[in-house]
Amino acid sequence: EVQLVESGGGLVQPGGSLRLSCAASGFTFSDHLMDWVRQAPGKGLEWVGRIKNKANSYTTEYAASVKGRFTISRDDSKNSLYLQMNSLKTEDTAVYYCARAYNWNYDVWGKGTTVTVSS
Amino acid sequence: QSALTQPRSVSGSPGQSVTISCTGTSSDVGGYNYVSWYQQHPGKAPKVMIYDVTKRPSGVPDRFSGSKSGNTASLTISGLQAEDEADYYCCSYAGSSYVFGTGTKVTVL
Repeated sequence: EVQLVESGGGLVQPGGSLRLSCAASGFTFSDHLMDWVRQAPGKGLEWVGRIKNKANSYTTEYAASVKGRFTISRDDSKNSLYLQMNSLKTEDTAVYYCARAYNWNYDVWGKGTTVTVSS
Repeated sequence: QSALTQPRSVSGSPGQSVTISCTGTSSDVGGYNYVSWYQQHPGKAPKVMIYDVTKRPSGVPDRFSGSKSGNTASLTISGLQAEDEADYYCCSYAGSSYVFGTGTKVTVL
């Protein structure tokens, strides 16, 4: 079964850091571009960023709202995707989803992990 | 990058058709044929219903269809069913980034 499982969410104070993980199974993870998408409470979906595959030099791209604070990485040997979040702000509070990118859409999503930034 | 504009809500009776619009700019919706639509039930992850403007993934009922004209994409649900009640989001490639729509709640009366 194709599956993505996020972990690492929790409560963090403003200015703090958190690292999210996404474990992939059931498909050849290394072949795929992978994204993070978030959803603030009661709000819509927001693209966070992308990491491409080895064939595309593991290039990363970020939304303007997180550029310079968030870093996406991957470990193909562990079938895992990561999101390092630094200098967190209250507006970063959201459910964070990892998603498999396929031909300019997202065909597989995880169930999400909740990040709360609050003092 | 501003969110794509969708109506906040649409509604219809079972069996009727509803259409959700998604308005962007020439830098996103109008510039690429890479618009996708996602259905999200409360507390669940999104599910792709349409990709590349008009294509339907296997397993998605053919009552879901997509189209685009200029800077506006549309999702039509024909023969509305109770299980179609959900939030729907459009998404467009915007050249090295992606932008989602504001979301539309579909209510089945």
